[in-house]
Amino acid sequence: DAGVIQSPRHEVTEMGQEVTLRCKPISGHDYLFWYRQTMMRGLELLIYFNNNVPIDDSGMPEDRFSAKMPNASFSTLKIQPSEPRDSAVYFCASSHNRVWAGELFFGEGSRLTVL
Amino acid sequence: TQLLEQSPQFLSIQEGENLTVYCNSSSVFSSLQWYRQEPGEGPVLLVTVVTGGEVKKLKRLTFQFGDARKDSSLHITAAQPGDTGLYLCAGVEYGNKLVFGAGTILRVKS
Repeated sequence: DAGVIQSPRHEVTEMGQEVTLRCKPISGHDYLFWYRQTMMRGLELLIYFNNNVPIDDSGMPEDRFSAKMPNASFSTLKIQPSEPRDSAVYFCASSHNRVWAGELFFGEGSRLTVL
Repeated sequence: TQLLEQSPQFLSIQEGENLTVYCNSSSVFSSLQWYRQEPGEGPVLLVTVVTGGEVKKLKRLTFQFGDARKDSSLHITAAQPGDTGLYLCAGVEYGNKLVFGAGTILRVKS
């Protein structure tokens, strides 16, 4: 079984550029989550979707961040314009119901460096 | 301030030693999970505990959920280099989101 698939694995960009991170969740999972991990702040929930609908985006840092889930098998996290403080590892995770009691399956992450 | 405090932050031990890492909070959780994350990978669930006082064993790993459902511990017996990684606890407050602790970095030297 394929796990959660994220791309790109690594992205280096310059301040001001647009960044798009992509995620394919595990087939059949109802929930999709975007997390950001840094040394300073650990794992932070940015946004999560249920059946392709955004449920809680209170963790999105600011308007520069946006996320979409056009269908059950694809989601994007976009940063425009990017800033050096956005440098982090961004994880996508999916889960099958019982959202806050079930297991989260994480992708391998996208490491973003903004110069 | 982290909702979940993990200690120690970093632990370096020799192969064969025992260790315990802790996850503490002033909040009550409906359930608590432990994940392990290896470099360059995402966290992987080890266990979920849901009942106060519950003890679960996974080979050499023993997980305990506090009676008051505010804390948890992970004990590893006879640590091996393959146990090296970042150990994260994550708690679910009643009706709220899953919140992760900052993690304990474990290094087991051979």
